Amino acid sequence: KNQVEQSPQSLIILEGKNCTLQCNYTVSPFSNLRWYKQDTGRGPVSLTIMTFSENTKSNGRYTATLDADTKQSSLHITASQLSDSASYICVVSPYSSGGSYIPTFGRGTSLIVHP
Amino acid sequence: DAGVIQSPRHEVTEMGQEVTLRCKPISGHDYLFWYRQTMMRGLELLIYFNNNVPIDDSGMPEDRFSAKMPNASFSTLKIQPSEPRDSAVYFCASSLQLAYTDTQYFGPGTRLTVL
Repeated sequence: KNQVEQSPQSLIILEGKNCTLQCNYTVSPFSNLRWYKQDTGRGPVSLTIMTFSENTKSNGRYTATLDADTKQSSLHITASQLSDSASYICVVSPYSSGGSYIPTFGRGTSLIVHP
Repeated sequence: DAGVIQSPRHEVTEMGQEVTLRCKPISGHDYLFWYRQTMMRGLELLIYFNNNVPIDDSGMPEDRFSAKMPNASFSTLKIQPSEPRDSAVYFCASSLQLAYTDTQYFGPGTRLTVL
């Protein structure tokens, strides 16, 4: 069964500090992995996407890494800001020769940045 | 473009009633997705359409759920009859294509409460 596990479930940090969120998956065969940011009361917004051939991808202060061998990904946030307070969701999509698309979602990490 | 538009934003209904959720995708996007998000299960893909045609509805939980896309600019998700366990936030998303490089743009969601 395809699964995506995220840790920690929640995280509280002080403004300006760095943090790293983890994502482990069992989706196979693997196609791509996305990280989404979801603000409270809003829909998810894509931060990064990586295929198996990519091991790092940056989007401003967000840097995602991927180890396709160990099936692990991380999202590193540098110099956190209050606006980083949100839920971060890891989504893994399988490769399908038939063209169908059924991703597996993690349950997210809730990040709170305190001033 | 105004982005993906969903209505209503909030819906409160009583068990057994019919509920219809509406979505207007971004103009020009060929793919439309319906998701459900709960605290317990996170985000789940219910169904997606390509050029108004349903491609995969394996995520639809029961026959009580149905989705239609009568034209490129409108889709509905209907629950009949509704049950308390259907309470969740329902998101609609759209994308240009299904390639991994194509970003899905989510609407603001409809928060459904079934009493």
